[in-house]
Amino acid sequence: EAGVAQSPRYKIIEKRQSVAFWCNPISGHATLYWYQQILGQGPKLLIQFQNNGVVDDSQLPKDRFSAERLKGVDSTLKIQPAKLEDSAVYLCASSLGQTKWSEKLFFGSGTQLSVL
Amino acid sequence: DQQVKQNSPSLSVQEGRISILNCDYTNSMFDYFLWYKKYPAEGPTFLISISSIKDKNEDGRFTVFLNKSAKHLSLHIVPSQPGDSAVYFCAASVSGNQFYFGTGTSLTVIP
Repeated sequence: EAGVAQSPRYKIIEKRQSVAFWCNPISGHATLYWYQQILGQGPKLLIQFQNNGVVDDSQLPKDRFSAERLKGVDSTLKIQPAKLEDSAVYLCASSLGQTKWSEKLFFGSGTQLSVL
Repeated sequence: DQQVKQNSPSLSVQEGRISILNCDYTNSMFDYFLWYKKYPAEGPTFLISISSIKDKNEDGRFTVFLNKSAKHLSLHIVPSQPGDSAVYFCAASVSGNQFYFGTGTSLTVIP
């Protein structure tokens, strides 16, 4: 079974530029998550989709971050314009989204973003 | 507001001994907990889970204990092996929705 695919693996941009990350979840997984992990911290949920609807985006800085999940499959996370504090690893995860006490998140390898 | 806390940033253990990683949470509504392991340059991988109807769950060398009254869980690894050296994250949720992660504990198993 293929895992969660993310690209690119690394990205270096200058502040005020824009950047986009792509994620393809495990086939059949209804729920897709984007997490931001700053160095030395745990993953912080940015946005959660159930199929192609947003379940939670309360911690997404909506003035600069946007995300979409067209057709309930793959997803794109965009930052425009980027700030220095956006330097982090952006992790995509997916889960079946069906049963409450057996949910497991499967993570991709992440995109490491450096904003200079 | 950090709802899930791992107060030990790092832990070193001798090979063959027990590793105990701790996690505390503040939200009494959390009823489902997971542990993840993360190697450098890789995404976290699922290790073990526990729901609030249990106080212990075991899978091979890994056991998770849940103390609901103390809002505390711990992961025991016995015996510890050098390949267990990684960062361990605990995560908590309400009924499998919106998982909140701790800051992680870096475990080093010394051969």
